[in-house]
Amino acid sequence: NAGVTQTPKFQVLKTGQSMTLQCAQDMNHEYMSWYRQDPGMGLRLIHYSVGAGITDQGEVPNGYNVSRSTTEDFPLRLLSAAPSQTSVYFCASSYTNSLGRAFFGQGTRLTVV
Amino acid sequence: ELKVEQNPLFLSMQEGKNYTIYCNYSTTSDRLYWYRQDPGKSLESLFVLLSNGAVKQEGRLMASLDTKARLSTLHITAAVHDLSATYFCAVSFEGAQKLVFGQGTRLTINP
Repeated sequence: NAGVTQTPKFQVLKTGQSMTLQCAQDMNHEYMSWYRQDPGMGLRLIHYSVGAGITDQGEVPNGYNVSRSTTEDFPLRLLSAAPSQTSVYFCASSYTNSLGRAFFGQGTRLTVV
Repeated sequence: ELKVEQNPLFLSMQEGKNYTIYCNYSTTSDRLYWYRQDPGKSLESLFVLLSNGAVKQEGRLMASLDTKARLSTLHITAAVHDLSATYFCAVSFEGAQKLVFGQGTRLTINP
């Protein structure tokens, strides 16, 4: 059981470049989310989805786009990378039941120079 | 706006000692989570607390929730080196897809 898989694990971008962070889960979870982790700030929600075809903004959505065409996949797109987007990005997924425990991927460490 | 604050942010303790990490949140939430993160790794779910007075224990860790005080605690009993990690609490309004995290508590346990 792979759980939540993120690719790539590491990435260096130049300012202005675009890229897509991939996230896939094989647990048939309805909910998927993207967070960024910065030192001393915990994790902050970027975008989330409650099911295929449905997405919404979180706390820090600017500069990022998402789509959810399938239950399994939830890619995060950086349209024009900026140094402020240097961070570690985590994808998470969960069921809609009362426990709602989120499972996290291994993270993508992104550096924008 | 929901805010979550943990304290302390850094904690260095000796093996065998007991200590408590505190997690305060600003508005009513329907559930509270505790996660563990090892350096360079992902987050591992420890506890989900769903109701006032909930207490959960696993090994040397025990978590509790007081919804009236908007406070959760993570108590460490007789600490061992393997518990060294960063611990996060997180609260949600609408299930686990929208979590607001505390800043994290970096715990170092020295022999």
